[in-house]
Amino acid sequence: QLQLQESGPGLVKASETLSLTCTVSGASISSFTFYWGWIRQPPGKGLEWIGCISNSGTSYYSASLKSRVTISADTSKNQFSLRLSSMSAADTAVYYCARRPRYYGYDHWGQGTLVTVDS
Amino acid sequence: DIQMTQSPSTLSASVGDRVTITCRASQSINTWLAWYQQKPGQAPKLLISQASSLESGVPSRFSGSGSGTEFTLTISSLQPGDFATYYCQQYNSYPLHFGQGTKLEI
Repeated sequence: QLQLQESGPGLVKASETLSLTCTVSGASISSFTFYWGWIRQPPGKGLEWIGCISNSGTSYYSASLKSRVTISADTSKNQFSLRLSSMSAADTAVYYCARRPRYYGYDHWGQGTLVTVDS
Repeated sequence: DIQMTQSPSTLSASVGDRVTITCRASQSINTWLAWYQQKPGQAPKLLISQASSLESGVPSRFSGSGSGTEFTLTISSLQPGDFATYYCQQYNSYPLHFGQGTKLEI
């Protein structure tokens, strides 16, 4: 059964870089036709798509975050990661990792991890 | 970027009601649209892909329709567990924006 699990710090200081990892079990992130994404949700607000990485390693990013975000994958560990630099209070959110099959929406999600920025 | 706009932002309804949520794209996305349900403290759950294709295990009272720029999610007879927030998302082209959400409340 496919499972995704986010891990990383729950608290980061303003101006620092956030690093989160999503560990995938039950499927290979190298599998053809899947995209592995990061989505966040500030407290009490809606969902914001951050970006994703394809099985071939190509990354796609939100235009508003592109200058600060990097998504990468480690196929040997079956993990993909998010780095978000220059964190501010506006980046406080629950961060989710998720899988999207080609031609479909995000069908499997991690439980989410709350990241708070200490300003 | 393709912007997604949902309406209404909040919808009040009762058990047994038929409700419809609308999602509009700023340009054509064909049928590359997904609908999600999110309950407090939980990750979103995928309900529908390709505008109208129901995910396995999703009750048939949920249905989606539309193409191009206008889409709808309909719940034919509301059940207590359906009171949640619903989001649309386009996946025609990057970035894959979500709508701002529709909170369905009693």
